[in-house]
Amino acid sequence: GAGVSQSPSNKVTEKGKDVELRCDPISGHTALYWYRQSLGQGLEFLIYFQGNSAPDKSGLPSDRFSAERTGGSVSTLTIQRTQQEDSAVYLCASSSGLSGANVLTFGAGSRLTVL
Amino acid sequence: AQSVTQLGSHVSVSEGALVLLRCNYSSSVPPYLFWYVQYPNQGLQLLLKYTSAATLVKGINGFEAEFKKSETSFHLTKPSAHMSDAAEYFCAVNVDQGAQKLVFGQGTRLTINP
Repeated sequence: GAGVSQSPSNKVTEKGKDVELRCDPISGHTALYWYRQSLGQGLEFLIYFQGNSAPDKSGLPSDRFSAERTGGSVSTLTIQRTQQEDSAVYLCASSSGLSGANVLTFGAGSRLTVL
Repeated sequence: AQSVTQLGSHVSVSEGALVLLRCNYSSSVPPYLFWYVQYPNQGLQLLLKYTSAATLVKGINGFEAEFKKSETSFHLTKPSAHMSDAAEYFCAVNVDQGAQKLVFGQGTRLTINP
């Protein structure tokens, strides 16, 4: 696609429920990243994929968080047993390769509110 | 560990005035440095990046930033503010050679007064 697409744009859920957030990167971009933007913590790296592999999951805040990528394209971030502190905007980004100097193209984000 | 400090969570300038947004970083290795802008309900958009070439980097929308190693700074400037520049601006550092694991500052909200 022309840009990075994320869905849903807004999600309201009850504490304890599971949620799935989807990211569709720019076509041909091999690297895909998840970041989280919250009032308390600012912007934080969560995980990245090169192809379908996730070499670095160090930013995932707990084992309730997981992510996968299939077909080298779409990625899903899953949060199990959501807590109120999970409320944030989850941003997905993609780039054409793995380099520290590469430019990330971000999606508009999925805003998660946990009641 | 690397870190980024943006001085001033809110900056307000008059239309036509100089914009100066401050960013200082901490890094044990030569960094890659970035400025991103975020408009309401949108994702982050790259303004400019420093990747060890020229220390004065020009970006989109008339913005530029100068890398000063001695001061560990990467301040963002624009000579003349426009109303459309109102947004939140994030400075970020990446010291990973193989991936974009960015460490962001807390952001500076820029307001433009008519």
